[in-house]
Amino acid sequence: EVQLVETGGGLIHPGGPLRLSCAASGFTVSSDYMSWVRQAPGMGLEWVSVFYGSGTTYYAESVRGRFIISRDNSRNTLHLQMNSLRAEDTAVYYCARHGSGSYFDSWGQGTLVTVSS
Amino acid sequence: EIVMTQSPATLSVSPGERATLSCRASQSVSSNLAWYQQEPGQAPRLLIYGASTRATGVPARFSGSVSGTEFTLTISSLQSEDFAVYYCQQYDNWPLTFGGGTRVEIK
Repeated sequence: EVQLVETGGGLIHPGGPLRLSCAASGFTVSSDYMSWVRQAPGMGLEWVSVFYGSGTTYYAESVRGRFIISRDNSRNTLHLQMNSLRAEDTAVYYCARHGSGSYFDSWGQGTLVTVSS
Repeated sequence: EIVMTQSPATLSVSPGERATLSCRASQSVSSNLAWYQQEPGQAPRLLIYGASTRATGVPARFSGSVSGTEFTLTISSLQSEDFAVYYCQQYDNWPLTFGGGTRVEIK
């Protein structure tokens, strides 16, 4: 059974860094495209970043230059390093596995990041 | 960036009735369109991909169709567990983009 468990969320001051992790089981993260998707309180879904292959990454314009996605094959884990956080980054962050196309066939339960002073 | 527009924002339907949700892409996305269901406090769940292919375990009352850049999700007979928010997502081009969602509520 595929399972994704996100950790690392919390309350952080504007400008601060935070690192999210997504532990995968039931499949190998290195074999699939993996993304982070976020959802601000009461709002819709926003794709954030993807990691695939040997290290190909893409980012949404809203986070490019501030967030870094990475993968630890030995721990079967995806990470999202978030720097220079802003209030508008406040959201539940989901880790998601891509299906055969770039739709999301499996999701974690999400981790809440709150950026506030 | 491809903009996905969902309508209506809210749909009020009685249990047992049919619900029709729309999603329009700002440019062609071929059939690279997925639908998700999200219940309160839960992660989204994949319903449909490839515009019309049901994901594993999704009941047959859910169906998807496409005409050009207009996509439709139809729920043939609403059950109590179907009252939720539905999102479409295109995966034809980066960045991947979602529609704003349609809330299906009990009438």
